[in-house]
Amino acid sequence: GENVEQHPSTLSVQEGDSAVIKCTYSDSASNYFPWYKQELGKRPQLIIDIRSNVGEKKDQRIAVTLNKTAKHFSLHITETQPEDSAVYFCAASDNQGGKLIFGQGTELSVKP
Amino acid sequence: GAGVSQTPSNKVTEKGKYVELRCDPISGHTALYWYRQSLGQGPEFLIYFQGTGAADDSGLPNDRFFAVRPEGSVSTLKIQRTERGDSAVYLCASSLEVGRQQYFGPGTRLTVT
Repeated sequence: GENVEQHPSTLSVQEGDSAVIKCTYSDSASNYFPWYKQELGKRPQLIIDIRSNVGEKKDQRIAVTLNKTAKHFSLHITETQPEDSAVYFCAASDNQGGKLIFGQGTELSVKP
Repeated sequence: GAGVSQTPSNKVTEKGKYVELRCDPISGHTALYWYRQSLGQGPEFLIYFQGTGAADDSGLPNDRFFAVRPEGSVSTLKIQRTERGDSAVYLCASSLEVGRQQYFGPGTRLTVT
């Protein structure tokens, strides 16, 4: 079955810097890759997603890139702000589009 | 509109007891998913429904876990003979249809003592 690896597990940046989180997946049939932000004690919230028919997607300060050949995808946050501090999870889903397989999470800390 | 809701928000039970966790999806969403999240981990898939039927239950850890969605809306996750290892946050999500964005509920924190 699908396996998703996420790195780093923790990331600390200064306000205004960029942050990059990387994920790899194992199942070449996966074609949907969402990213979720989870604040302490709260539910996961989708921040951006990408499907395998595109290589990059951007939404304001957030972008995601996908390399299908290498089976990896990355989240890029520019001009980080303290309110970006949270745990970020990548996930992958197969052609059935049902279950999401999540990475282990990255705890991002943005220092003012 | 209203998001995904889950009840109870917290449940403490003794080892060996039976528990039911409820999920109310967003109105009109045909797909409903259950995940389990342990401290410091990503959500782990349990089961998902397309309408009333379980489309994929491959994540249920053993036969003590069972879920239903009899009318294609509300779902109940049932755990028999609870064990301390079942302690986790149980998350429910729904999507308009399979393959679309999944919206998560706030979760039920289950503690088995």
